[in-house]
Amino acid sequence: NAGVTQTPKFQVLKTGQSMTLQCAQDMNHNSMYWYRQDPGMGLRLIYYSASEGTTDKGEVPNGYNVSRLNKREFSLRLESAAPSQTSVYFCASSERPPGQGWSPLHFGNGTRLTVT
Amino acid sequence: ELKVEQNPLFLSMQEGKNYTIYCNYSTTSDRLYWYRQDPGKSLESLFVLLSNGAVKQEGRLMASLDTKARLSTLHITAAVHDLSATYFCAVDFRGGADGLTFGKGTHLIIQP
Repeated sequence: NAGVTQTPKFQVLKTGQSMTLQCAQDMNHNSMYWYRQDPGMGLRLIYYSASEGTTDKGEVPNGYNVSRLNKREFSLRLESAAPSQTSVYFCASSERPPGQGWSPLHFGNGTRLTVT
Repeated sequence: ELKVEQNPLFLSMQEGKNYTIYCNYSTTSDRLYWYRQDPGKSLESLFVLLSNGAVKQEGRLMASLDTKARLSTLHITAAVHDLSATYFCAVDFRGGADGLTFGKGTHLIIQP
């Protein structure tokens, strides 16, 4: 039972390069999320997808784009990486969409991204 | 503004001692979550508190929620080294319409 799988685990980019972080869940969850974690900042929501076919901005969306490819997969793209995007990125999923009753978030193992 | 504040942010304590981590939040919510994160690892769900007065316990950890005071506590009883980790509280504002809002985390070190 894999849960939420993120790839890659580590990545180093140069300023201006682009890349896509991949996330897939096998729990048939409706909602998926991308958070970033920075030292002393907790986790901050970048984008989320309440259900297949919909995406919405979170607290810190600038510099990112997302795609909900299907119910299982939710990718995060950095079009032109900047050093400020150096962070650990977590994907998460939940059974119910936001605002429709509670359900816990299940997190992936994270992607450590360094932009030089 | 949706804010979640934890304190302390860093705590070093000895095994066998008791201590409490506090989580305050800015506006009304009936749902609060506690997560644990070990260094370099993902977040693990500890507790979900769904209503005022809710209390959950697991081993040496006990969490409670006071929605009127907008306060949750995570109490550690007779701490052991294995509880060393970073603990996050997260609040479900507006029925979760904005996802979860996390506190900055409490980095807990328990020394033998």
